Amino acid sequence: QKEVEQDPGPLSVPEGAIVSLNCTYSNSAFQYFMWYRQYSRKGPELLMYTYSSGNKEDGRFTAQVDKSSKYISLFIRDSQPSDSATYLCAMEGTSGSRLTFGEGTQLTVNP
Amino acid sequence: DTEVTQTPKHLVMGMTNKKSLKCEQHMGHRAMYWYKQKAKKPPELMFVYSYEKLSINESVPSRFSPECPNSSLLNLHLHALQPEDSALYLCASSQDTGQGGTEAFFGQGTRLTVV
Repeated sequence: QKEVEQDPGPLSVPEGAIVSLNCTYSNSAFQYFMWYRQYSRKGPELLMYTYSSGNKEDGRFTAQVDKSSKYISLFIRDSQPSDSATYLCAMEGTSGSRLTFGEGTQLTVNP
Repeated sequence: DTEVTQTPKHLVMGMTNKKSLKCEQHMGHRAMYWYKQKAKKPPELMFVYSYEKLSINESVPSRFSPECPNSSLLNLHLHALQPEDSALYLCASSQDTGQGGTEAFFGQGTRLTVV
């Protein structure tokens, strides 16, 4: 079983929809949770960074962490065609050095 | 400035060639990383440098040789590569590796094709 599970999609939504992206994990040592956005043929861009359980909001993006369920989510409100990309969740324990990535979800927002 | 700069953006090399990938950051980060990414897969960690010393080698074949000349620069020397080594090579940096949760910033990558 993989440490981090993420549905690869593809996920296709109309412009303006609310998008929900999710990851589950099995390693209780993970304390830090990130979401990266990666456009085709580009490097990953850090979108959201959260520590432990709770919510974090940044513009149209909201990251949620539920450590009791080992479940993290990224919500995108009022989705735009420019949000079309692959979204990677990543997590890390307190020892540092290694990010563990999910497989990535490919999102397409249709105008 | 949260920029990690990688050169070249694209590289085509033969199996007998020697080439180098370069990475530079000016954020004062003390940890730098090389990742390899195949199509539709997440990045895979190759090497970690912490305070200019190699701290992690993820059992990478010796045809890949990393070098950290100073705290801002990271190189990856390539020699006798195989076609299956064709991938996007990503450099990343973060404040530190001493504790978890240091935000890692990625460069745009070098797309390597081995012919």
